[in-house]
Amino acid sequence: GQNIDQPTEMTATEGAIVQINCTYQTSGFNGLFWYQQHAGEAPTFLSYNVLDGLEEKGRFSSFLSRSKGYSYLLLKELQMKDSASYLCAVLNSGYSTLTFGKGTMLLVSP
Amino acid sequence: DTEVTQTPKHLVMGMTNKKSLKCEQHMGHRAMYWYKQKAKKPPELMFVYSYEKLSINESVPSRFSPECPNSSLLNLHLHALQPEDSALYLCASSQRGAEPQHFGDGTRLSIL
Repeated sequence: GQNIDQPTEMTATEGAIVQINCTYQTSGFNGLFWYQQHAGEAPTFLSYNVLDGLEEKGRFSSFLSRSKGYSYLLLKELQMKDSASYLCAVLNSGYSTLTFGKGTMLLVSP
Repeated sequence: DTEVTQTPKHLVMGMTNKKSLKCEQHMGHRAMYWYKQKAKKPPELMFVYSYEKLSINESVPSRFSPECPNSSLLNLHLHALQPEDSALYLCASSQRGAEPQHFGDGTRLSIL
């Protein structure tokens, strides 16, 4: 089975940097995804880590440590439109299905 | 706009009705998925189709019946649903299982 933990809510100020952590315990692991979901909309793919280290994509970066069962999503130069839920999802081995964490609701204030 | 198209966007139905949700993608993806998402909860996997064959059914009640007519289309047939089935139903697709899944905008379903 899978156990994925991430904070329920976070707040930050426009222009700041925020780090959203995700820890996981899995019986099989093929990689970790981060998705962004605005209220009432579909999840949007942000990043995918399968090897240890940092993946950078513009204002967003994601880090993975497989030995520690740990990932984080780093958002720089926060904008109001970054207010959304951020979902950590583990890609399971075998059937390659995704198991989502409960999501972190990020509120960016002026 | 997403590359995975779902119709209808909203659906209200009674518990005795039969309706279908539709999903279409033209990215050549060979894996397609149905998820159910309740408010303030993460998506929960329902079904996985791989190369047009049902590969995973996450113990979903038989009142939900998936169908994959071809590699671009995925349907979810609904019959005799319960009020607790009210949720956002998301379709997703990926090139292969290990590739990022792309989600449609979902169908918001309300059961009266």
